[in-house]
Amino acid sequence: GAVVSQHPSRVICKSGTSVKIECRSLDFQATTMFWYRQFPKQSLMLMATSNEGSKATYEQGVEKDKFLINHASLTLSTLTVTSAHPEDSSFYICSARAPGTVSYGYTFGSGTRLTVV
Amino acid sequence: GQQVMQIPQYQHVQEGEDFTTYCNSSTTLSNIQWYKQRPGGHPVFLIQLVKSGEVKKQKRLTFQFGEAKKNSSLHITATQTTDVGTYFCAGLGAGSYQLTFGKGTKLSVIP
Repeated sequence: GAVVSQHPSRVICKSGTSVKIECRSLDFQATTMFWYRQFPKQSLMLMATSNEGSKATYEQGVEKDKFLINHASLTLSTLTVTSAHPEDSSFYICSARAPGTVSYGYTFGSGTRLTVV
Repeated sequence: GQQVMQIPQYQHVQEGEDFTTYCNSSTTLSNIQWYKQRPGGHPVFLIQLVKSGEVKKQKRLTFQFGEAKKNSSLHITATQTTDVGTYFCAGLGAGSYQLTFGKGTKLSVIP
């Protein structure tokens, strides 16, 4: 089945530094990938839609200059949290949908737990 | 914008008891999907419902999509400890490819 690989799985960084999270579709091409943020014991909140070869579409309230998204190829999207602060600590998850799959469900990466100290 | 409400937020059941979680959308959906997230894990796709009134079964899990395509439910018969996790519904609006997730129902099963 469709596999989405996300790494790192965990990262601890100092306040003020930047962190890059990668999301790869391993066995399919994904023209669109989605980035979510999940706070403890809460639901997944869509942050942005990553489009291959064009600018990402950000949800209302998400700072595009802080959460930089690059989707330079059909199998890779990256999310960079710039100038991270403790309030950016969260679980970040990407997802994509493999075209032509019977289930039509979205496949999620394993997530990245970011801790900013 | 589209909103998906899901209840209950938490459910504790004795092993062997049944469990149901309900979702309600503010708008008509083109389809609804269900995901399970184990503690510390990521959401895993369970099923998608597309047709009005559709009912699908996966072993002990029964999924329903309402006639108006605005509500859905997941019912687990005779829960087991392996059913522990948070169950999310997620709706797709007409012409959209962005999922809107419910807040999830966290299921705890007491052995």
